[in-house]
Amino acid sequence: KAGVTQTPRYLIKTRGQQVTLSCSPISGHRSVSWYQQTPGQGLQFLFEYFSETQRNKGNFPGRFSGRQFSNSRSEMNVSTLELGDSALYLCASSKDAPEITLEAFFGQGTRLTVV
Amino acid sequence: ELKVEQNPLFLSMQEGKNYTIYCNYSTTSDRLYWYRQDPGKSLESLFVLLSNGAVKQEGRLMASLDTKARLSTLHITAAVHDLSATYFCAGGRGNQFYFGTGTSLTVIP
Repeated sequence: KAGVTQTPRYLIKTRGQQVTLSCSPISGHRSVSWYQQTPGQGLQFLFEYFSETQRNKGNFPGRFSGRQFSNSRSEMNVSTLELGDSALYLCASSKDAPEITLEAFFGQGTRLTVV
Repeated sequence: ELKVEQNPLFLSMQEGKNYTIYCNYSTTSDRLYWYRQDPGKSLESLFVLLSNGAVKQEGRLMASLDTKARLSTLHITAAVHDLSATYFCAGGRGNQFYFGTGTSLTVIP
């Protein structure tokens, strides 16, 4: 079966711009989580969506936002990009809430470079 | 907040040798995960450990959980080159994963 699909795979943006990343979860999965991976901070939780509702958000500024559509696809948006936003952004999908299904499947990520 | 620490950060080992990666977490975690990540690739789930004393094995990898000590270990037996990757442990609490820093493993022929 198809896995978690993230698009685009690579992005280069300029400081001050905004960017939108997309995540298509595994068919039938209702939960999508987003994580930022950097060499300095490791993997950090951004937010989780379940049935179009954001259930919680990690410790990131308001420039980071997201949403989930009725087909469970999710987008995250970063406005007013900073150099420190350069990272690998990973999304993970779960059939149900992660605390219930216990499993989360990760996509290959979007590598964002801010110059 | 649940903090997860792994050690070592880097591990270089010879083929055929055994080694253990340690994962300590700061406070109660509902469950403990081990993931593998190859360069440029996604995170691949290896194990989910739920209860004290849980032990799971897959091939040359064995994971265990001691909730009283807040410690999980990933033991590698008779390492082979194919095991070279970065290994992450993560604590799960609610709908959130809290990842360790990762252990970069290189297996040398």
